Amino acid sequence: GENVEQHPSTLSVQEGDSAVIKCTYSDSASNYFPWYKQELGKRPQLIIDIRSNVGEKKDQRIAVTLNKTAKHFSLHITETQPEDSAVYFCAASSSGGYQKVTFGTGTKLQVIP
Amino acid sequence: DVKVTQSSRYLVKRTGEKVFLECVQDMDHENMFWYRQDPGLGLRLIYFSYDVKMKEKGDIPEGYSVSREKKERFSLILESASTNQTSMYLCASSLRGAYTDTQYFGPGTRLTVL
Repeated sequence: GENVEQHPSTLSVQEGDSAVIKCTYSDSASNYFPWYKQELGKRPQLIIDIRSNVGEKKDQRIAVTLNKTAKHFSLHITETQPEDSAVYFCAASSSGGYQKVTFGTGTKLQVIP
Repeated sequence: DVKVTQSSRYLVKRTGEKVFLECVQDMDHENMFWYRQDPGLGLRLIYFSYDVKMKEKGDIPEGYSVSREKKERFSLILESASTNQTSMYLCASSLRGAYTDTQYFGPGTRLTVL
């Protein structure tokens, strides 16, 4: 089955700096890679996703890159703000309906004002 | 707006009890999932269902069973609760489709087994 590894487990950055979270996956059939953000005491929510037919996707201060050859994808947050503090989960799945999503172990991001 | 609800936010049970966790979604989603969330272990899939009366084992199904009698409701059952099942349980749902993979999560049930 799919195995998703996520690093680092914790990350502290100064407000305004960039943060990068990296994930690797094992199943070459995976073609959908979402990122979820979970604020303290709240439910995970999708913040951005990428499919295997693109290498990069941006949404304001958030970007995700995908290297299918290396089975590696990353989340980049620029100009971090205190409200970016949360746990971030990467995930991988084979899209197309009968999806089983495998999550990484999470990265706790702390943005220091 | 998608709404996924879970029957309890907090639950305390005793070892050996049978425990039912209920999840309801109101968006006619075909897929439903049960995860448990533990510090340092992320979200681990227990069971999922892609249709009424259908179920598939996830990565950690041992000690759990599920029921999906109606499309909107997915129940997780702990047949005989044990202390190592103390955890946060999250339900999620999603549409079945080639480009509709977003999972919508419920608020979670924090279960403590004494």
